Amino acid sequence: QSALTQPASVSGSPGQSITISCTGTSSDVGGYNYVSWYQQHPGKAPKLMIYEVSNRPSGVSNRFSGSKSGNTASLTISGLQAEDEADYYCSSYTSSSNPYVFGTGTKVTVL
Amino acid sequence: QVQLQESGPGLVKPSETLSLTCTVSGGSVSSGNYYWSWIRQPPGEGLEWIGYIFYSGSTNYNPSLKSRVTISVDTSKNQFSLRLSSVTAADTALYYCARFPRGKYTFDSWGQGTLVTVSS
Repeated sequence: QSALTQPASVSGSPGQSITISCTGTSSDVGGYNYVSWYQQHPGKAPKLMIYEVSNRPSGVSNRFSGSKSGNTASLTISGLQAEDEADYYCSSYTSSSNPYVFGTGTKVTVL
Repeated sequence: QVQLQESGPGLVKPSETLSLTCTVSGGSVSSGNYYWSWIRQPPGEGLEWIGYIFYSGSTNYNPSLKSRVTISVDTSKNQFSLRLSSVTAADTALYYCARFPRGKYTFDSWGQGTLVTVSS
């Protein structure tokens, strides 16, 4: 099972909105509503930001939103802030023999 | 609020077995609502799911590691453990333990991670 494909980097200015894509197949992203997004600051553990495509855990800012169209899921960060600078990973349940796959990761830079 | 903490040797020799333990506090590994997982991240690379265990002892492993991985649970100590045999330099990584709610296919709580280096 190959990793889900994400852009290596995305950047934006404070206050802007950015979108990170996560492309898979009909066996993972496209086939199930079990896409999650994680934020990872340098030297820190990943933090769950979005689950089941668009649900936010308690305590996560509503500036973070998720969506899906076909085999591609997206994470949008609105009102970009300096603290949002981090690596972001998507993940999905898959119907393959490996039931859980992560994305390649995207480095978000706040200009 | 649940907390997870990994522990174990930071250096393992090639061909030997890597052993890590995750201690859970603020929650119970005996809860039927969660699976308990291991995930790793090689330096500068992305995340790789290793496997998970249910309190009953049922497990599911990444097929790419299945022949070398064993995950076990000790409900009396509120811990679960990872053993990875015949390690090579490619197994050098940050190892995280994490909680996986049943039916949600996501990891909602993570430990801080522990770096394991495979070197002679």
